[in-house]
Amino acid sequence: GQSLEQPSEVTAVEGAIVQINCTYQTSGFYGLSWYQQHDGGAPTFLSYNALDGLEETGRFSSFLSRSDSYGYLLLQELQMKDSASYFCAGNAGNMLTFGGGTRLMVKP
Amino acid sequence: KAGVTQTPRYLIKTRGQQVTLSCSPISGHRSVSWYQQTPGQGLQFLFEYFSETQRNKGNFPGRFSGRQFSNSRSEMNVSTLELGDSALYLCASRTGTGPYNEQFFGPGTRLTVL
Repeated sequence: GQSLEQPSEVTAVEGAIVQINCTYQTSGFYGLSWYQQHDGGAPTFLSYNALDGLEETGRFSSFLSRSDSYGYLLLQELQMKDSASYFCAGNAGNMLTFGGGTRLMVKP
Repeated sequence: KAGVTQTPRYLIKTRGQQVTLSCSPISGHRSVSWYQQTPGQGLQFLFEYFSETQRNKGNFPGRFSGRQFSNSRSEMNVSTLELGDSALYLCASRTGTGPYNEQFFGPGTRLTVL
């Protein structure tokens, strides 16, 4: 089975940088994905790390370390619209398991 | 290209009833996955269908079932509804090849069981 742990809530100010961590326990792990979900909306894909290292997509970056069973999502130049829930999701055995989600609140 | 669509968007049922939810994937996507989202349990994987075959199943009772048609549209059915089945049911599609690198989610069906 799989389990992914992430903080339940994070608060940051507009313009700042925030890091959302995700630790996992799983077997047959293929990669780590990140999804964003606004209140009342559907999850939308942000990034996927199949290999160790950093993946950068605009203001968002994601990192994976397989040896540490750890990954993070880094959000830079925070904007108010970034206030949402962020989920890490592990892909193992052709099944996707989501972490509990981190609610990010961006304050002016 | 149209996104993933789900019908109905909202549904109210009573305990003991059954319900069928529908999902139309993005054109060309052959894989459809279903998830249940609740405040207490988060996003939980129900099952995945690919080319009309169930490829994976999550840890849910047999009351939860699904199917996929030749046009890749999918339905999920929940029989003998319980109060705890109240949730947002999300459908997601992808091309179906390789690991779960990117899934496209529909807006979900909000099911309330009274």
